[in-house]
Amino acid sequence: DAGVIQSPRHEVTEMGQEVTLRCKPISGHNSLFWYRQTMMRGLELLIYFNNNVPIDDSGMPEDRFSAKMPNASFSTLKIQPSEPRDSAVYFCASSLAFYEQFFGPGTRLTVL
Amino acid sequence: GESVGLHLPTLSVQEGDNSIINCAYSNSASDYFIWYKQESGKGPQFIIDIRSNMDKRQGQRVTVLLNKTVKHLSLQIAATQPGDSAVYFCAEGLTNAGKSTFGDGTTLTVKP
Repeated sequence: DAGVIQSPRHEVTEMGQEVTLRCKPISGHNSLFWYRQTMMRGLELLIYFNNNVPIDDSGMPEDRFSAKMPNASFSTLKIQPSEPRDSAVYFCASSLAFYEQFFGPGTRLTVL
Repeated sequence: GESVGLHLPTLSVQEGDNSIINCAYSNSASDYFIWYKQESGKGPQFIIDIRSNMDKRQGQRVTVLLNKTVKHLSLQIAATQPGDSAVYFCAEGLTNAGKSTFGDGTTLTVKP
């Protein structure tokens, strides 16, 4: 298996633009997690899905952030409009039965 | 004063020595614990886990100890190697909650 796949790996955009991050979880995994990592705040859980259904989005910073999982093999995290303080590395992880999580390589987002 | 970011605990060891990384967890109801390793530029990677009904678990060169009385978890790495240099996170979880909570991390540096 190729592991969790994230795209793009790097994104540089200007403030106010829409950003869409993509994730393909490991086949057969039923849980998917979106994290944000910064020097200031460490690793933060934004939202997680179980069987494609959002279970807990309490970590989503504000309404500018939204996430979808239309099927078991694809999820998106969208930021609209983006702001400089959204600059971070965004990780997607998947797991089977909530235990060990397999992380993707991350997307490094820079908002100018 | 104003915070400039997380001040991660750091541990510096000589190659070949044993390393002990500590973690205090917060929820006495947590029933599983996981150690992750994050190398520079990569996502966290699973190392070892332990259930709350155990107090010790061994893997290859790693041992995790759990002390529920004081809510403390430790990761011991035997014969530390330069490739062990990374940030190590402990995570705690409650099976029914469906998600893990990550600690701030400890930076391990191995000197050759």
